[in-house]
Amino acid sequence: GQSLEQPSEVTAVEGAIVQINCTYQTSGFYGLSWYQQHDGGAPTFLSYNALDGLEETGRFSSFLSRSDSYGYLLLQELQMKDSASYFCASDTSGTYKYIFGTGTRLKVLA
Amino acid sequence: DTGVSQNPRHKITKRGQNVTFRCDPISEHNRLYWYRQTLGQGPEFLTYFQNEAQLEKSRLLSDRFSAERPKGSFSTLEIQRTEQGDSAMYLCASSPLSSNYGYTFGSGTRLTVV
Repeated sequence: GQSLEQPSEVTAVEGAIVQINCTYQTSGFYGLSWYQQHDGGAPTFLSYNALDGLEETGRFSSFLSRSDSYGYLLLQELQMKDSASYFCASDTSGTYKYIFGTGTRLKVLA
Repeated sequence: DTGVSQNPRHKITKRGQNVTFRCDPISEHNRLYWYRQTLGQGPEFLTYFQNEAQLEKSRLLSDRFSAERPKGSFSTLEIQRTEQGDSAMYLCASSPLSSNYGYTFGSGTRLTVV
């Protein structure tokens, strides 16, 4: 089957750094994306890794290791507004048809 | 450009009724996707259009579900003979043909079948 495993919940304090891991098992793999979703809102694109290594976009970085079928999202200088659910998603066909993980709920405490 | 627009935002229907949702993607985006999301879960892929052609349908999409994208512009998703298990958020997303910048999702249509 196809699956993406993420921790269900992570808690951290404002200003801290947090890493959300994702391990995937999919029949095809072209890249790994990360999306943020606030309660009641639409998912918002954060990053896409097609190649191994680290991609940095402001306070957010994403890492991919194809050989380990593993990626992570790193959030630095956490802010209260970062409290949301974060989903990793595998592009399984090269057409950006994603299989999403079950999501990690991040709680940022003051 | 105001992003991806979905209508209605909420729909409550009785079991057995038909419902239709509309999605207006970002105008220059060739690709359009429909996903379904239930509480506490990630979005599940339903179907995908490139321009007006429906290129892929999930096995989740039973015969009661049909989607169209006439003229490669807006898209509609119809559910016939709704069941309580169809209650979910239906999300539409669009992207350019060649992009690793991800989708732009609409705000979704929340369907409640009573």
